[in-house]
Amino acid sequence: DARVTQTPRHKVTEMGQEVTMRCQPILGHNTVFWYRQTMMQGLELLAYFRNRAPLDDSGMPKDRFSAEMPDATLATLKIQPSEPRDSAVYFCASGLVGQNTEAFFGQGTRLTVV
Amino acid sequence: TQLLEQSPQFLSIQEGENLTVYCNSSSVFSSLQWYRQEPGEGPVLLVTVVTGGEVKKLKRLTFQFGDARKDSSLHITAAQPGDTGLYLCAGYTGTASKLTFGTGTRLQVTL
Repeated sequence: DARVTQTPRHKVTEMGQEVTMRCQPILGHNTVFWYRQTMMQGLELLAYFRNRAPLDDSGMPKDRFSAEMPDATLATLKIQPSEPRDSAVYFCASGLVGQNTEAFFGQGTRLTVV
Repeated sequence: TQLLEQSPQFLSIQEGENLTVYCNSSSVFSSLQWYRQEPGEGPVLLVTVVTGGEVKKLKRLTFQFGDARKDSSLHITAAQPGDTGLYLCAGYTGTASKLTFGTGTRLQVTL
């Protein structure tokens, strides 16, 4: 059963620390999305990749967030330094680009910055 | 910025009632998707509508894509407690490969 795998599922860290979230997209999918979900803002698109190349990361605070795809089986989202306002659930989703790219989501990483 | 506004934000109804959720935007999309999300999980795709005016039915759920491909609606007939969850519309822009989600509608169905 193909699925998107995200690690860790939960992360509690202190303000100022570096946080790295990992995502293994579904094998064969060529598009990866990173979203952040909060009660106030809903599901916000942070960045997305096609064939490992970043297409758009305008949704991310550039000074502290970075997203990469070192290879086709791994996408990472890094926050350095983390701040309490970064507390949220971060979702990775993958899909096959086409007319109707549909996103398959992981279970998310719940990040709490204290 | 492509904004997708959903209404209502919250809906609490009793089992057996009908309801409609709306998803509106000023942008045109290649396709419009509907997802449902349960607590502790990621959103799961319910349906994709592609053609303006298209209507798709999935058991008790009926999805419609507006003629201008800017808006959509989800109608649930005879709601059941199992329909409880967060419903999200998402607009896909083919040229940019971008998938933008709506503000969400939280549905609670009680016995």
